[in-house]
Amino acid sequence: AQSVTQPDIHITVSEGASLELRCNYSYGATPYLFWYVQSPGQGLQLLLKYFSGDTLVQGIKGFEAEFKRSQSSFNLRKPSVHWSDAAEYFCAVGVSNAGNMLTFGGGTRLMVKP
Amino acid sequence: DGGITQSPKYLFRKEGQNVTLSCEQNLNHDAMYWYRQDPGQGLRLIYYSQIVNDFQKGDIAEGYSVSREKKESFPLTVTSAQKNPTAFYLCASSSPPLEQFFGPGTRLTVL
Repeated sequence: AQSVTQPDIHITVSEGASLELRCNYSYGATPYLFWYVQSPGQGLQLLLKYFSGDTLVQGIKGFEAEFKRSQSSFNLRKPSVHWSDAAEYFCAVGVSNAGNMLTFGGGTRLMVKP
Repeated sequence: DGGITQSPKYLFRKEGQNVTLSCEQNLNHDAMYWYRQDPGQGLRLIYYSQIVNDFQKGDIAEGYSVSREKKESFPLTVTSAQKNPTAFYLCASSSPPLEQFFGPGTRLTVL
């Protein structure tokens, strides 16, 4: 079965600094990969997704992620963080032959210092 | 606008009561899902349905029940058999391949 690990439970960055959130997955073949963001008390919003092709994926709100097969990673990056980016971020992996199922990581809570 | 609605936003339950959480989507998606979210634990799958009149248990189905009589609707009942129901509940829907869209959630509290 597939699994997802987000090693960092909490991350604090200064506004304007760059950001990288880590995500590692375990699966025997190339999975479908997603990053979602959740503001407190809200649902999840899709930031970006990787299905195939170019391994650098652009998403909304200035985020990007890079799929690295050799490292089984799909890290999320943003060059300059804004205070409004403070939220919880979830990485997820999906397998097409598993009934459209997603497995989520435990999440990383991002705090932004002024 | 297309999307997923969940109601109510906040729900309070007394011990021994069953409560039903509503989830409606107008995205014409075949698949729908219910997740439970506890602080620091990410999302755990309760039930999912890939087609009308069919649904499957997820990882933590005990104490919960669902129905899927219409494509648009996937209500979740939290029964008295669920011993620790206080949590944030999220409904989602999807159409292949795999991208899931989420509703705003329902926070359930047991009094």
